[in-house]
Amino acid sequence: DAGVTQSPTHLIKTRGQQVTLRCSPKSGHDTVSWYQQALGQGPQFIFQYYEEEERQRGNFPDRFSGHQFPNYSSELNVNALLLGDSALYLCASSRGGEWSYNEQFFGPGTRLTVL
Amino acid sequence: AQTVTQSQPEMSVQEAETVTLSCTYDTSESNYYLFWYKQPPSRQMILVIRQEAYKQQNATENRFSVNFQKAAKSFSLKISDSQLGDTAMYFCAFMSWIQGAQKLVFGQGTRLTINP
Repeated sequence: DAGVTQSPTHLIKTRGQQVTLRCSPKSGHDTVSWYQQALGQGPQFIFQYYEEEERQRGNFPDRFSGHQFPNYSSELNVNALLLGDSALYLCASSRGGEWSYNEQFFGPGTRLTVL
Repeated sequence: AQTVTQSQPEMSVQEAETVTLSCTYDTSESNYYLFWYKQPPSRQMILVIRQEAYKQQNATENRFSVNFQKAAKSFSLKISDSQLGDTAMYFCAFMSWIQGAQKLVFGQGTRLTINP
């Protein structure tokens, strides 16, 4: 089992550009959550995808959008990049049962630097 | 809204010592979970221990144990016989459900260094 994988590992962009980050969930998982972790801070929840729909969203602007594919993999898109978007972006996968506990398994993250 | 507070930005102990990391949280919900995650320099977030709010018994996992004080909304992590490999960032996290979906809220983290 490969676990949760993310690509790319590192990414450098300039202000105003757009970026797409990718996540493949752990085998058997159908739910993907995205988190932003600024340097020296704890992760902050961006949104969660289940059955190809955004099921829940944190306090992030519409510049942050996502998608989930039929194979449960997911993309995070950020438009009009700002310097403050520089962070480690973490993907976590889990089974999608509602109102039940399902452990979230995290990927190694993508380090985004905006210049 | 739920909040999680870790008041110790950094801690440092000698190998084999016992160390306790503090965490407090704020919520009005009755059904939730609490976690401690470890994030080593490799950046991979690893679940250390989990506590269900409805269980009075404190969770333990080998050298790791928690002191869960529900009324005080306190959730501390004790690491016994600390090892060099325990060096990492440690995050306390709270999980509840919104519209059926899980949501994790993390604290700011504590950087733990185990010295030889």
